[in-house]
Amino acid sequence: GENVEQHPSTLSVQEGDSAVIKCTYSDSASNYFPWYKQELGKRPQLIIDIRSNVGEKKDQRIAVTLNKTAKHFSLHITETQPEDSAVYFCAAYYNTDKLIFGTGTRLQVFP
Amino acid sequence: NAGVTQTPKFRILKIGQSMTLQCAQDMNHNYMYWYRQDPGMGLKLIYYSVGAGITDKGEVPNGYNVSRSTTEDFPLRLELAAPSQTSVYFCASRLGQGMGYGYTFGSGTRLTVV
Repeated sequence: GENVEQHPSTLSVQEGDSAVIKCTYSDSASNYFPWYKQELGKRPQLIIDIRSNVGEKKDQRIAVTLNKTAKHFSLHITETQPEDSAVYFCAAYYNTDKLIFGTGTRLQVFP
Repeated sequence: NAGVTQTPKFRILKIGQSMTLQCAQDMNHNYMYWYRQDPGMGLKLIYYSVGAGITDKGEVPNGYNVSRSTTEDFPLRLELAAPSQTSVYFCASRLGQGMGYGYTFGSGTRLTVV
């Protein structure tokens, strides 16, 4: 069935440390994997995405990796800052029509 | 462009009442979606539409109805509100099929059913 698993559900790190969030999808036909950041009371905002023909993508302190064989993809945030504190959602496209979201990871960055 | 506009922002309903959540986009996007987000939880797909006149069920469609008579509008109807429908509702849209078309989200409607 359509499913995206996300771990961990909560993550606390010290400012300057790295944070890694992992997701697994079930449909091998999925070909697009976006990551969203949602601050308290706000709408989800796209922060980075990766397509199935690419293994890694980086944008400043944020990177995403994709392992198609294992159906895993991960978000890496380096040199974390307090403003990185938010809930992060991974997602995968199914049937190219709709995004199925993971359950979210609450990241807290302590100064 | 206003993007994706949702109204109202907040609403309190009594059990058994009905209401329509409005969603409009001015980007000429073909695809539109309704998600609900329960407190501290992820986004669950309620209904979606790939174009005017076409709608399909998502993961949690029970208790809701939608219509898509125009490209711009995608209203969500709650017929008999129940406490389990207390949630934040997000509408989203994207241009078309295929890779790379990310979602644009509306600002959400916070609904409480008492």
